[in-house]
Amino acid sequence: DAGVTQSPTHLIKTRGQQVTLRCSPKSGHDTVSWYQQALGQGPQFIFQYYEEEERQRGNFPDRFSGHQFPNYSSELNVNALLLGDSALYLCASSLGQGYNQPQHFGDGTRLSIL
Amino acid sequence: AQSVTQLGSHVSVSEGALVLLRCNYSSSVPPYLFWYVQYPNQGLQLLLKYTTGATLVKGINGFEAEFKKSETSFHLTKPSAHMSDAAEYFCAVSRGSTLGRLYFGRGTQLTVWP
Repeated sequence: DAGVTQSPTHLIKTRGQQVTLRCSPKSGHDTVSWYQQALGQGPQFIFQYYEEEERQRGNFPDRFSGHQFPNYSSELNVNALLLGDSALYLCASSLGQGYNQPQHFGDGTRLSIL
Repeated sequence: AQSVTQLGSHVSVSEGALVLLRCNYSSSVPPYLFWYVQYPNQGLQLLLKYTTGATLVKGINGFEAEFKKSETSFHLTKPSAHMSDAAEYFCAVSRGSTLGRLYFGRGTQLTVWP
C-alpha cells in the first residue's frame, strides 16, 4: 500500500522563477492538503483540494496556486519565487475533509531559492 | 482563532527516562488534537490523535497523551525513552469549521542520551 509520494525530493531555483511540485495521495484518499515548513518552524497550511476544487486556503499570496486531478493527485505551483519561499513543502492526504480524519504526510520536497 | 504552544523547543532525556513534551492549545470550540513525529529528512508520521471519548489516548511506539480540557493541554508522554525516539515532535489541532486544516505548534526537538 503506497503512502503519499512527492516529487521531486529536492529542487533548486532562483528568484523570480516558477516551480511545480507534485503529490500522489495515499491509496483510497481523495483529499490533498499542502503545507510549507520553514526551517525550525512547524508546518503552515497553504490550501486543501477536494473534488478538484480548492476548498480552503491559508494565509498565502496568490503566487501559490494548485490543482487536483481526477485521480486525486495534486500539484502546487509557486510563481515569482522569493528567497523566503525556501522551505520543505509537505503534501498530506486524507479520506474526506473531516476534521477528525488523520492526515498522512509525504516526505516533502525541499525547495531552495538562490 | 487557533493556536498551539509547545513549551520547550528542545528537550533532552537519558535513555530509559520519562519523556514529557508539553502542548497547550487555544480554541473557542472543542478541538481535535494530534501529535506527529518527524525524523530527519522525512515527512510527518501520526503518533496519536484525540477526537472524542476517552481523554487518555495511546499511540504508536509506546507514546500516550492526555486531553485536559480544564488546562487546555495535550501533553505527550512515554515512560521510558529509547534512542530511536530522538526526533522532532509536533502538536497540532483542527476543528470542524476548518475541515481538517491542521494548525501546528513550532515543534520540540527530543534528544535522547545513552
